[in-house]
Amino acid sequence: KAGVTQTPRYLIKTRGQQVTLSCSPISGHRSVSWYQQTPGQGLQFLFEYFSETQRNKGNFPGRFSGRQFSNSRSEMNVSTLELGDSALYLCASSRTSGTYNEQFFGPGTRLTVL
Amino acid sequence: GQQVMQIPQYQHVQEGEDFTTYCNSSTTLSNIQWYKQRPGGHPVFLIQLVKSGEVKKQKRLTFQFGEAKKNSSLHITATQTTDVGTYFCAGRKTSGSRLTFGEGTQLTVNP
Repeated sequence: KAGVTQTPRYLIKTRGQQVTLSCSPISGHRSVSWYQQTPGQGLQFLFEYFSETQRNKGNFPGRFSGRQFSNSRSEMNVSTLELGDSALYLCASSRTSGTYNEQFFGPGTRLTVL
Repeated sequence: GQQVMQIPQYQHVQEGEDFTTYCNSSTTLSNIQWYKQRPGGHPVFLIQLVKSGEVKKQKRLTFQFGEAKKNSSLHITATQTTDVGTYFCAGRKTSGSRLTFGEGTQLTVNP
């Protein structure tokens, strides 16, 4: 069974630009969550999607948005990039939303904002 | 909002010593999960605890969920160099709420 895949793996952007990150969950998984990880920080929750609906949202500005498609693939968009947006963005999938499902993480997209 | 705190932030041990990381939530949790992230890698699920006072073991790792379901711990007996990484706890306030991660404990093991 293929794991969670994220593209691209590395990305360099400049301030003010926008970026779209992609996540393909494990086959059969319907829930996708996004996290931001910076050095010394834990995993900061961005949002969770289940069956194309946003189920939960973290405390990030409106520049961060996401969506999920009917095949459960998800995209995350960050507009008007700031230097502080440099981070590892992790996507995690699970079979369903909430309850007792373990999350399977992808390798992440390393975003650098110059 | 819900907060999950983990201590210590860093722990350096000699190979063979024991290691414990503690996780405390500001609210009662419906369940708690533990993940391990190796250097340069991504978090990998270790275990889930659901019941009050639950204790689970995986070889040298022992996981506990507090009676009040507000705290948890991970204890590693006789650490090995393969135990190096950051250990995260993560909990949900209710079954439908988001999974909130602690800041993690970074473990280094000197051979």
